[in-house]
Amino acid sequence: ETGVTQTPRHLVMGMTNKKSLKCEQHLGHNAMYWYKQSAKKPLELMFVYNFKEQTENNSVPSRFSPECPNSSHLFLHLHTLQPEDSALYLCASSLPRRGGNTGELFFGEGSRLTVL
Amino acid sequence: QKEVEQNSGPLSVPEGAIASLNCTYSDRVSQSFFWYRQYSGKSPELIMSIYSNGDKEDGRFTAQLNKASQYVSLLIRDSQPSDSATYLCAVSVIGGTSYGKLTFGQGTILTVHP
Repeated sequence: ETGVTQTPRHLVMGMTNKKSLKCEQHLGHNAMYWYKQSAKKPLELMFVYNFKEQTENNSVPSRFSPECPNSSHLFLHLHTLQPEDSALYLCASSLPRRGGNTGELFFGEGSRLTVL
Repeated sequence: QKEVEQNSGPLSVPEGAIASLNCTYSDRVSQSFFWYRQYSGKSPELIMSIYSNGDKEDGRFTAQLNKASQYVSLLIRDSQPSDSATYLCAVSVIGGTSYGKLTFGQGTILTVHP
């Protein structure tokens, strides 16, 4: 199994739909993240979870709702999205180092979302 | 003002040459610096991390950090066509709730031609 697995890999949804993205990591890491990657824009951090607790919400609209039931699983619930939300959503995990920070992220392959 | 800035390129170098990728950052309290490589249609993968001023070498890759000038660079020696990818510079601050709170640049597209 790969280290960080995301499903589905591709998703097309209408603006009134409700869908969820799933991420699972098999690396024994304690921190998990959602990043958004749009064309010609830098990767944007959305949410951070450490030991199942949300420690970062980077001013993300409420139509994106994260859930982290345990250190290995992370979800991103989507509802009433807008076409501009179409992007690649990347999940990542890391093992925090002493000092409270690590940038050594392991990314999943991403979920390509298209909102019609 | 962009927090992490890279030349978006594309940067084109011949096979066997040295590719030089540059990155500047605006937050002086930044402590950790990373280079990620992203192949087209794939996710980013970490290739180098550097935390102290100076050079860090790993195979054909050398990361250089100058905190006083707020820049970090990546040199790729003996470039190969397989190095063709987008290279992402990322910066973070140590401590507190800053777990993995990376700020990414927009990436530099590198093409190595035979």
